[in-house]
Amino acid sequence: AAGVIQSPRHLIKEKRETATLKCYPIPRHDTVYWYQQGPGQDPQFLISFYEKMQSDKGSIPDRFSAQQFSDYHSELNMSSLELGDSALYFCASSLLAGEANEQFFGPGTRLTVL
Amino acid sequence: LAKTTQPISMDSYEGQEVNITCSHNNIATNDYITWYQQFPSQGPRFIIQGYKTKVTNEVASLFIPADRKSSTLSLPRVSLSDTAVYYCLVGINTDKLIFGTGTRLQVFP
Repeated sequence: AAGVIQSPRHLIKEKRETATLKCYPIPRHDTVYWYQQGPGQDPQFLISFYEKMQSDKGSIPDRFSAQQFSDYHSELNMSSLELGDSALYFCASSLLAGEANEQFFGPGTRLTVL
Repeated sequence: LAKTTQPISMDSYEGQEVNITCSHNNIATNDYITWYQQFPSQGPRFIIQGYKTKVTNEVASLFIPADRKSSTLSLPRVSLSDTAVYYCLVGINTDKLIFGTGTRLQVFP
């Protein structure tokens, strides 16, 4: 079965650079979530989209922005990168109309900021 | 959002049953209880979800008492591959996931 695809899997950037993370949800899923997991930390919700509209916002820095496109893939744009942005970034997708809000997570993008 | 409390860590041996209890004293009427499993450097994976009483699937069972202020995830006959972090989450069915501090389960041979 198709899973959530994230690219790139690994990314190394310098401070103050920008980064773009991509997420391709499971086909027919209408909701995409982004989570950040720092080293030794628990996943933290950043932002979500339902049918290409932002549906919720968590602890996402103003330096970050995200959007969902017409083909349902989503991109997380990160600017003025800081050392503290080094983390695993997970994208998850779900079908909002499903019986249980089972979120399917991708393999993550490991971002390292030097 | 209801806050959850679960043990920081648990140890077990292969073949044993593991029960992880989660407290959620201020759970709301519309809240569901969901458990996720996470292996190192992998995304969390849905295990089971319930609203009340008992739910069972091919992986685990979830026991929820009548007052719903706690829940217990039961993993029958664990194996080494069950070593992971287990998260208990409480919230409405269509909401973002708010992860607390999960339970690190270590299974020994």
